[in-house]
Amino acid sequence: AQKVTQTQTSISVVEKTTVTMDCVYETRDSSYFLFWYKQTASGEIVFLIRQDSYKKENATVGHYSLNFQKPKSSIGLIITATQIEDSAVYFCAMREGDTGYQNFYFGKGTSLTVIP
Amino acid sequence: GGIITQTPKFLIGQEGQKLTLKCQQNFNHDTMYWYRQDSGKGLRLIYYSITENDLQKGDLSEGYDASREKKSSFSLTVTSAQKNEMAVFLCASSIGGSNQAPLFGEGTRLSVL
Repeated sequence: AQKVTQTQTSISVVEKTTVTMDCVYETRDSSYFLFWYKQTASGEIVFLIRQDSYKKENATVGHYSLNFQKPKSSIGLIITATQIEDSAVYFCAMREGDTGYQNFYFGKGTSLTVIP
Repeated sequence: GGIITQTPKFLIGQEGQKLTLKCQQNFNHDTMYWYRQDSGKGLRLIYYSITENDLQKGDLSEGYDASREKKSSFSLTVTSAQKNEMAVFLCASSIGGSNQAPLFGEGTRLSVL
């Protein structure tokens, strides 16, 4: 079964607007960690932002923020004031914390295109 | 700053050939990973290692071997390359601890003729 699911295959938005990318996850651990990464056209994978499951506040880094809805097992990525260079594939990932298991589960990614 | 270096960047092999991919990191990270990415798909874990000489199988370990002889290096061997196989192999490393995000190398692009 897929542990991390990104249902949006691709999204297009106009520059300077806000976009939300969805991600739902599945875990039985009481402690877990959620991550978003960006993969550029060159293939480079860059870590963007993290949410710890025990924190109620949504994480924010620069123009990236998260919408963490724990009861729905959902962790959305919000990009405000989008720029052309935000065009990339965005991956959601989860690491379970209780067992110390080091596996990262990745979603299949959402391709974002920012249009001028 | 640190860097994760994967060699080679491009690898062309023949069907049935044994192929080795190498990864070096100078972050002094404990944990290292090998992921496979197929076109348009997510990342799937092949092997990971939490310390020198440790190896843990991921979901996609069949057909691969791995080796972690030093803390700074992690190699992956494709034991028998499959005809027409094309994928990107990504190495990553992180500090031990569940909340640390792995950092990725630039990948090795494999094509099998």
